[in-house]
Amino acid sequence: AQSVTQLGSHVSVSEGALVLLRCNYSSSVPPYLFWYVQYPNQGLQLLLKYTSAATLVKGINGFEAEFKKSETSFHLTKPSAHMSDAAEYFCAVTLTGTASKLTFGTGTRLQVTL
Amino acid sequence: EPEVTQTPSHQVTQMGQEVILRCVPISNHLYFYWYRQILGQKVEFLVSFYNNEISEKSEIFDDQFSVERPDGSNFTLKIRSTKLEDSAMYFCASSEFGLAEGADTQYFGPGTRLTVL
Repeated sequence: AQSVTQLGSHVSVSEGALVLLRCNYSSSVPPYLFWYVQYPNQGLQLLLKYTSAATLVKGINGFEAEFKKSETSFHLTKPSAHMSDAAEYFCAVTLTGTASKLTFGTGTRLQVTL
Repeated sequence: EPEVTQTPSHQVTQMGQEVILRCVPISNHLYFYWYRQILGQKVEFLVSFYNNEISEKSEIFDDQFSVERPDGSNFTLKIRSTKLEDSAMYFCASSEFGLAEGADTQYFGPGTRLTVL
């Protein structure tokens, strides 16, 4: 079975500071990994996904994530936070070749302060 | 940009009543999903649907739940006899090919908040 763990339910950064949201996965086979963002009163929007093509994945809104097999991690980063980045971020995993379900982490709420 | 829509945005019902949550997936998508998120907990997979059949379901998706694609555009989740613990945000999602085809992206709707009293 697969799972993801997100460390830190709440993260607060200053505008312009580095954003680092942590995600570790557990999987018996090579996984596909995703980061989704949820803005207030909206659905989940895909930020980026890892599909084994490249370990450093660039997504929308300046976010990127690096797949590190040795650390079983897929942390999300952005060099400079913007007020509009305030939202809830979810890491998710699915297994290569299986049917379609996504397994989500518990989410990290990002707060951006002036 | 095409998007998944869900109605209603908020549904309040009495315990034991039936509810139907509605979703309109993106028009050229073939795979459909329901997830739920109980307040303060993880987003959990309920069921996936392809070619008018359930392709996978979780342990949560018991006999009280059913899904249907009644026409070419709608995808519904029915809860036959609601319980207090069914109170949650329910998300519909759709994808073009299904994740087995190579990490296809699931596009999510804004959710329906179900409150069971």
